[in-house]
Amino acid sequence: GESVGLHLPTLSVQEGDNSIINCAYSNSASDYFIWYKQESGKGPQFIIDIRSNMDKRQGQRVTVLLNKTVKHLSLQIAATQPGDSAVYFCAEMVYNQGGKLIFGQGTELSVKP
Amino acid sequence: DSGVTQTPKHLITATGQRVTLRCSPRSGDLSVYWYQQSLDQGLQFLIQYYNGEERAKGNILERFSAQQFPDLHSELNLSSLELGDSALYFCASSVGNRGYEQYFGPGTRLTVT
Repeated sequence: GESVGLHLPTLSVQEGDNSIINCAYSNSASDYFIWYKQESGKGPQFIIDIRSNMDKRQGQRVTVLLNKTVKHLSLQIAATQPGDSAVYFCAEMVYNQGGKLIFGQGTELSVKP
Repeated sequence: DSGVTQTPKHLITATGQRVTLRCSPRSGDLSVYWYQQSLDQGLQFLIQYYNGEERAKGNILERFSAQQFPDLHSELNLSSLELGDSALYFCASSVGNRGYEQYFGPGTRLTVT
């Protein structure tokens, strides 16, 4: 069945280091992938997205990499800051299923000062 | 602040009752999505409306229903509530109907006692 899973449930990094959060997806028909950040008590916040015809996309301090061969998605955060501490979710979508996003279980990122 | 508003913020009710959750999308967004976030199921897509019409449906229980009004706000109705319905309910919105760049509201925390 459809599923999006994360390799690591928790990740602890030192402030200033780079962080890499991984995600495995199972639906090879997925066309669109998104990373969300969720801070405690808040709704998911859109970080960056990538379409299946791309393998890399960069934003401000973040980069998403897509490897369709092994159905793997990663989020790289450069110079991680304490404000980056949150739970990060990857999500996937298939175009012909409307706007249905399928979310992974999440990875908690903890940044040590 | 995503621009998506949800009311109420918290809701405590008893089993068997019915509640209505309300969502106002970002200005200009025509699509509204509802998601349920629980500890055991993670973030689950419930339903999407686009410009007043149902666009996509997830694993939404028959006891749950939603609608989108002409002013584009949406309501999620939950009836015959059970303890297992306790969760965070998020609304998201996007400009188009394809599901790209969904922006989430702060959520409604429902507690069924």
